[in-house]
Amino acid sequence: EDQVTQSPEALRLQEGESSSLNCSYTVSGLRGLFWYRQDPGKGPEFLFTLYSAGEEKEKERLKATLTKKESFLHITAPKPEDSATYLCAVLGSNDYKLSFGAGTTVTVRA
Amino acid sequence: ETGVTQTPRHLVMGMTNKKSLKCEQHLGHNAMYWYKQSAKKPLELMFVYNFKEQTENNSVPSRFSPECPNSSHLFLHLHTLQPEDSALYLCASSQDSNRDYGYTFGSGTRLTVV
Repeated sequence: EDQVTQSPEALRLQEGESSSLNCSYTVSGLRGLFWYRQDPGKGPEFLFTLYSAGEEKEKERLKATLTKKESFLHITAPKPEDSATYLCAVLGSNDYKLSFGAGTTVTVRA
Repeated sequence: ETGVTQTPRHLVMGMTNKKSLKCEQHLGHNAMYWYKQSAKKPLELMFVYNFKEQTENNSVPSRFSPECPNSSHLFLHLHTLQPEDSALYLCASSQDSNRDYGYTFGSGTRLTVV
């Protein structure tokens, strides 16, 4: 069974203080690793899909990277509007449904 | 709006009530999902529908009953729920042939069972 573990559970940052979120995974044949952002009272919003080790994707202040065992979401010079819960999920080759981690809640103080 | 609409946004119900959650998507997707999200826990997959056919029931208690009349609509019928069923219920959709692009989620229904 696919497993996804995210750390830390919560992260408090000062505006401009860069940091990284970790997503460790166990999957049989990775078809894709997904990052989502979830704001309070809303559903998850798709950010990135990574397909193979070494791949990187960027969107504004966010950069996602992938190795064979984990993914990192780097937040560079965060702003208060980057405050949200970030979810990681994997899709394995033997499955057709996403398996999610519990998320990292990021709070950025001005 | 993401293209997946869920109603109601909030629901408070007693343990003996019967209610239904509704999900609607007009993205042309042919797979739809119900997830349960509890605080500090990973999203739990409940049901999967592909082309209106239920392809997965993830050991969900019978007090939750899904219905998918067509590829655009998905319902979750609720009856005799327990307080521990209080959670955010999320609907999602995807294109079966392009699931690698991830799911599109609705905003969820916040359910409180009293």
